[in-house]
Amino acid sequence: GQSLEQPSEVTAVEGAIVQINCTYQTSGFYGLSWYQQHDGGAPTFLSYNALDGLEETGRFSSFLSRSDSYGYLLLQELQMKDSASYFCAVRRYNQGGKLIFGQGTELSVKP
Amino acid sequence: NAGVTQTPKFQVLKTGQSMTLQCAQDMNHEYMSWYRQDPGMGLRLIHYSVGAGITDQGEVPNGYNVSRSTTEDFPLRLLSAAPSQTSVYFCASSYETASSYEQYFGPGTRLTVT
Repeated sequence: GQSLEQPSEVTAVEGAIVQINCTYQTSGFYGLSWYQQHDGGAPTFLSYNALDGLEETGRFSSFLSRSDSYGYLLLQELQMKDSASYFCAVRRYNQGGKLIFGQGTELSVKP
Repeated sequence: NAGVTQTPKFQVLKTGQSMTLQCAQDMNHEYMSWYRQDPGMGLRLIHYSVGAGITDQGEVPNGYNVSRSTTEDFPLRLLSAAPSQTSVYFCASSYETASSYEQYFGPGTRLTVT
């Protein structure tokens, strides 16, 4: 079963900052990834944390703490187009590097 | 580059029929994967390949077969379709560097089994 947990829904207003958390119950993985998916379309890559700490890409940042089994995606200056589903994913050492996804967080950005 | 392409975009099957979902990538990526996504759910890994001639099972492999005869192609075969296989199927290819692992997804195949 899934060993990655995310909130199912998050709502925020335009211009605000939102944090989407991902907790996991797996050890020995290469890194934590984040993907965005609009309305059932193709998921697109946002970020990858191989090491602990913060990775920043424009308005999006991602954080990983292996000691806390925890990561998050931070979205700043929210825009309406950021309304989408966000998935965290891990590649486990003992499963040939397969990418396993969480169930996703649906973000709704309100005006 | 076309990226990852999938055909068909939509398909309706009757229970018991078989078919092959096609997936191709032109980025020379080693890794390819098939996922299914059910309404309101995440992406569940069906099968996975780390290179031509090498495949492995994912989380939900039952009822599906794959082969990887070339780097470019990774077809998914439904052996005997069942209504439980109604889903959206995504193919993906990926590459790895020392500091990153990025997966590219195709547009998906929307399959309905009646």
